[in-house]
Amino acid sequence: SQTIHQWPATLVQPVGSPLSLECTVEGTSNPNLYWYRQAAGRGLQLLFYSVGIGQISSEVPQNLSASRPQDRQFILSSKKLLLSDSGFYLCAWRQGPHNEQFFGPGTRLTVL
Amino acid sequence: KNEVEQSPQNLTAQEGEFITINCSYSVGISALHWLQQHPGGGIVSLFMLSSGKKKHGRLIATINIQEKHSSLHITASHPRDSAVYICAVETSGSRLTFGEGTQLTVNP
Repeated sequence: SQTIHQWPATLVQPVGSPLSLECTVEGTSNPNLYWYRQAAGRGLQLLFYSVGIGQISSEVPQNLSASRPQDRQFILSSKKLLLSDSGFYLCAWRQGPHNEQFFGPGTRLTVL
Repeated sequence: KNEVEQSPQNLTAQEGEFITINCSYSVGISALHWLQQHPGGGIVSLFMLSSGKKKHGRLIATINIQEKHSSLHITASHPRDSAVYICAVETSGSRLTFGEGTQLTVNP
């Protein structure tokens, strides 16, 4: 069966510090991978998605970046965090369009 | 106007009541998803549908493509159904567009 892991579960970082959130998927190959952010009291916002290794599509301009160094690994990064980067970050995968999307447990990021 | 509108934003019900959450969208879609977000933040996919109706246990999802509208129904609601229910539409490519969610509280 397929599983999706995210870490860390919670993170408190100062403004201006770097960020690296990792997501890995097990039990499938060549998944579509997604990073979402959910600000407090708001809906899900798609940040990045990837349909293959090294292929990243960015949805919203910001100071975040994403990379997919391996087929089942998706990394969200920032060189310098802003206060507005606080939120709940969710990684998700699915096996191509028109399939169910499966979400990781999320990372709650607080930037102080 | 958002591409995906959900109503109501908040819904409080008594245990056992029949619940309906609505989702309207303004674009052509290839599929519609219903998701459930638990208080801790975890999200579970409930349904993906492109036509007609699907049923899982006490949950029923319907979609009317011509009217660009979908509903999620919960029969015999229970306090454990309390969660945020999110509608998302699939347009082109691999991305989903999400509604703001409906916060459901079921009281015992």
